[in-house]
Amino acid sequence: DAKTTQPNSMESNEEEPVHLPCNHSTISGTDYIHWYRQLPSQGPEYVIHGLTSNVNNRMASLAIAEDRKSSTLILHRATLRDAAVYYCILRATNTGNQFYFGTGTSLTVIP
Amino acid sequence: NAGVMQNPRHLVRRRGQEARLRCSPMKGHSHVYWYRQLPEEGLKFMVYLQKENIIDESGMPKERFSAEFPKEGPSILRIQQVVRGDSAAYFCASSSRQGLTDTQYFGPGTRLTVL
Repeated sequence: DAKTTQPNSMESNEEEPVHLPCNHSTISGTDYIHWYRQLPSQGPEYVIHGLTSNVNNRMASLAIAEDRKSSTLILHRATLRDAAVYYCILRATNTGNQFYFGTGTSLTVIP
Repeated sequence: NAGVMQNPRHLVRRRGQEARLRCSPMKGHSHVYWYRQLPEEGLKFMVYLQKENIIDESGMPKERFSAEFPKEGPSILRIQQVVRGDSAAYFCASSSRQGLTDTQYFGPGTRLTVL
């Protein structure tokens, strides 16, 4: 399974933008990049996904490098409710339907 | 539209007992996935099922663990003769279809404690 590398933890001030990086240097051409987050004591929650182009939705934006070896999840204005562990996951044709979660980035939002 | 339901939310068992974890997928979803999360770790895939079929059980321990998703009723993850190492949070997810872009919706999890 293709690996992703994320920082263990990050901090952000409330109402400021947050950029969460993810390296995936072994990504193949058909791998989709998914982001999920897990709030304390809850199940993971879908955030966003993309293939090549940058993506925007209500929750966040996903910026994908031109060579696709890295991507960045952007929260435009962090709130206290955004404090969670954020997982960057590659979804590949040869790994079936399951997601492979790494250890993710634990985001702390400072009031 | 109710989300993925899991019960019980907390389950305590003594070593050697059986644990049964239930998962009701979102309405209209026929694909169910089970994951296990040990403390301070990410989720690990266990098994993927469609109605009445196990599609991929490559992440499931060969012994003591089994899963089913009958035609009627919830999906069940069954752990026989539990040991302390089975203590973890078990999450179920469901999706409406399979594919590289489909979203999996996760339940709140069942936290199993083995005494």
